[in-house]
Amino acid sequence: AQTVTQSQPEMSVQEAETVTLSCTYDTSESDYYLFWYKQPPSRQMILVIRQEAYKQQNATENRFSVNFQKAAKSFSLKISDSQLGDAAMYFCAYRSQPMEYGNKLVFGAGTILRVKS
Amino acid sequence: DTGVSQDPRHKITKRGQNVTFRCDPISEHNRLYWYRQTLGQGPEFLTYFQNEAQLEKSRLLSDRFSAERPKGSFSTLEIQRTEQGDSAMYLCASTTGTDAEKLFFGSGTQLSVL
Repeated sequence: AQTVTQSQPEMSVQEAETVTLSCTYDTSESDYYLFWYKQPPSRQMILVIRQEAYKQQNATENRFSVNFQKAAKSFSLKISDSQLGDAAMYFCAYRSQPMEYGNKLVFGAGTILRVKS
Repeated sequence: DTGVSQDPRHKITKRGQNVTFRCDPISEHNRLYWYRQTLGQGPEFLTYFQNEAQLEKSRLLSDRFSAERPKGSFSTLEIQRTEQGDSAMYLCASTTGTDAEKLFFGSGTQLSVL
């Protein structure tokens, strides 16, 4: 079974600075998806960024980018120019590629990100 | 498109009572998922539906849990004879199955069993 590990329970960053959240995963599959989700106090999970394992290029979405190291099974999230609205719980998640597995996500335990003004 | 809607937002119940939660997915989404999230943890998969068919259930879903999705529209999750260990947030998510990797989540139902 796949597992996802987030080793940082909590991180802090100064507004406008850059922060990196860590994630490692364990799988024997060669093709899969990785995601970062944000969960603000409103509780609704919001997709931040996703990465297909077969793509070597790291995904980027505006201020958010990932460092995907397939061999090391590492998938970190970098947030540049941090804003107060970035404060939330961040979850790393894994999904197997084949659709017959139902598209279910395996989540890590999460990292609380605090942004200081 | 009003997003995934869950009702109620909060539920407090006494141990041994039955509770039912409702999820209304985005209208054109044929896949619907239930997850459970306990304090300080990431969500854990419970079950999923493709249209009205329940295609997979986690081992976390004991006999006291049942989920339905009549007519492939809204879904209900019922917990019978609730236990204190059932206290958690229950999240619903849906997707079209085409852009299949993008799940849309509701805001969850927070269950407290006293």
